[in-house]
Amino acid sequence: EDQVTQSPEALRLQEGESSSLNCSYTVSGLRGLFWYRQDPGKGPEFLFTLYSAGEEKEKERLKATLTKKESFLHITAPKPEDSATYLCAVHPSSGNTGKLIFGQGTTLQVKP
Amino acid sequence: EADIYQTPRYLVIGTGKKITLECSQTMGHDKMYWYQQDPGMELHLIHYSYGVNSTEKGDLSSESTVSRIRTEHFPLTLESARPSHTSQYLCASSESGNNEQFFGPGTRLTVL
Repeated sequence: EDQVTQSPEALRLQEGESSSLNCSYTVSGLRGLFWYRQDPGKGPEFLFTLYSAGEEKEKERLKATLTKKESFLHITAPKPEDSATYLCAVHPSSGNTGKLIFGQGTTLQVKP
Repeated sequence: EADIYQTPRYLVIGTGKKITLECSQTMGHDKMYWYQQDPGMELHLIHYSYGVNSTEKGDLSSESTVSRIRTEHFPLTLESARPSHTSQYLCASSESGNNEQFFGPGTRLTVL
């Protein structure tokens, strides 16, 4: 069964304290892995797409990496405005739909 | 500006009422989706559409129905709302060639 697990569920950091969020996945083939940011009461905001192991993408203080079993979202020198829930989703090769399977998210709080 | 819109943003209604949640996108995307998200939980796909007159049910069973008469419009209807329908409903769209889904701001529905 296709599955996505994110860890930790919640993470508290001091401003400037770098860390990583984990997304482990089990799918029958991977068409793509997506990272989103979601602020309270809002829809998810697209961050990155990764397609193959070894691929990396960067945007400001965020860097996403992908292996055959997991993805990491590295946050370098975070600021309070980086506080949000970060969602990971995979697009399995099985089936012919565009559906994504989402993890439960990691809620990040960055304190000044 | 290309975007995806949802109305209303918040809705509080009584049991048994018929409601329609609106979703429109100006990006010309063929694919559109409806997700349901409870607080602190992952997103679950309830409906999707590959184009005009194409609709399919998602993984999560839902008593709602959808229609896709125009490319840009994908409304969701509940014929008789119940308290169990209380949730956040998120609409998304993507191009045919990839699965980078862009989300609307969501509708938070409360059924009393």
